[in-house]
Amino acid sequence: EVQLLESGGGLVQPGGSLRLSCVASGFTFDTYAMTWVRQAPGRGLEWVSGMSVTGDRTYYADSVKGRFAISRDNSKNTLYLQLNTLTAEDTAIYYCATRLYYFDNWGQGTLVTVSS
Amino acid sequence: DIQMTQSPSSLSASVGDRVTITCRASQDISNDLAWYQQKPGKAPKLLLYATSRLDSGVPSRFSGSGSGTDYTLTISSLQPEDFATYYCQQYSSTPVYSFAQGTKLEIK
Repeated sequence: EVQLLESGGGLVQPGGSLRLSCVASGFTFDTYAMTWVRQAPGRGLEWVSGMSVTGDRTYYADSVKGRFAISRDNSKNTLYLQLNTLTAEDTAIYYCATRLYYFDNWGQGTLVTVSS
Repeated sequence: DIQMTQSPSSLSASVGDRVTITCRASQDISNDLAWYQQKPGKAPKLLLYATSRLDSGVPSRFSGSGSGTDYTLTISSLQPEDFATYYCQQYSSTPVYSFAQGTKLEIK
C-alpha cells in the first residue's frame, strides 16, 4: 500500500522559514516524480512544485518561485519542501503526491500557519 | 497561464440522481485533464485522468468526457459516499499545472 506521510508544518512568523518532509513507503520511490500541492483554509487546490525522478528537474508555481525549494533524498525515500520568506498567503495544508501531470497518491497533509 | 473554471460551484442532488459537472479551460488542453474527489478533512483522491480514464478502483458510475476547452464529469447514479467536493485539473501546460475552484456536491 502506498503511503505518504508529511511532517514539518507548524506556526511560523511572517518572513520565517520551514522545511516540510514527506516520507514515502509501499512503492519504489526512486522511480516516481513527486509533487507538492497546497490548500488554503476553506479554499481550493493549488499546485506548488514538482520534481523529476532523479531530482535534476524542478518546477515551481509563480507564487512560490524564488522562495520555495523542492528536493528529494532517494536513499531515505523522502521528499522535501523548503519554505522561505513566508507570508500569510502561504498559510495552507501542504500535500505531497506521486507523479507529475496528474497525482494519483496523496499524503494526509501538514498544516503551515503563517502569523505573528 | 491556463485558467480553469468549473460549474456549478455548488450542487444539491439526491441519491440515485445523475449529476454532471462542467470544467472549462481558457485554451485547448488536448484532453490533458484529471478529476479529483475530496471529502472534508481528507486528501484529494484521483478519479479520472486523460479526460476519461478511470483510476484504479474508481467505480464505473464515474465517467468523463470532453475535448478542446470543455470537459465534463458525470456520476451516473449518486451514492451516499459521493457527496464531496470535486476538482478538475489541467496538465497540458506542463510543467505548470492548474486546478479549477471546485464544485461542492451536497445532499438535497
